[in-house]
Amino acid sequence: DGGITQSPKYLFRKEGQNVTLSCEQNLNHDAMYWYRQDPGQGLRLIYYSQIVNDFQKGDIAEGYSVSREKKESFPLTVTSAQKNPTAFYLCASSKGANYGYTFGSGTRLTVV
Amino acid sequence: KQEVTQIPAALSVPEGENLVLNCSFTDSAIYNLQWFRQDPGKGLTSLLLIQSSQREQTSGRLNASLDKSSGRSTLYIAASQPGDSATYLCAVRHDPRGDYKLSFGAGTTVTVRA
Repeated sequence: DGGITQSPKYLFRKEGQNVTLSCEQNLNHDAMYWYRQDPGQGLRLIYYSQIVNDFQKGDIAEGYSVSREKKESFPLTVTSAQKNPTAFYLCASSKGANYGYTFGSGTRLTVV
Repeated sequence: KQEVTQIPAALSVPEGENLVLNCSFTDSAIYNLQWFRQDPGKGLTSLLLIQSSQREQTSGRLNASLDKSSGRSTLYIAASQPGDSATYLCAVRHDPRGDYKLSFGAGTTVTVRA
């Protein structure tokens, strides 16, 4: 079955460390997205990519970086510049504007 | 900027009662609207997608309506069951001027009591 796989499910980061969250899809979707979810808040867009080798900043891109070298993969790096990284991170993809979004199962990142 | 509001933030009902969840948005120039379900610690599961030209969509016990001109959508869940307990999120997809991005509400957390 097609879907989106996020790994790891849980991730712990030490102060000053960069960590990378994986997102892989086999749905043949062109567009991919990264969202951050905090308790009591709606999802906020970090970065998105509508085509390979191209991506745009979302509403809260500071302290994050992404790459899109392959259609199937859209990894997110949380850098040491992100001062409050503890959150639930969700990756999504979409076939196009007329279609809905499909989400992965998420990665919970905790600073220790 | 598009603002999406979901009221109430939480809802508790006895099993068998019908659920009515509300979603409002400030910019009516949307492309479509999607309802999701989220269980604790899990990702989002798509429930219904309504295109801007549609008035409603139905799937089983779920029915979602869309009134674009007034900036409102309602999700109805008939004959609720304990398994319907979850957080329900609505998201509006901006039109091409907004680069087709999604804006989310904060969700309504539903508890169905057995």
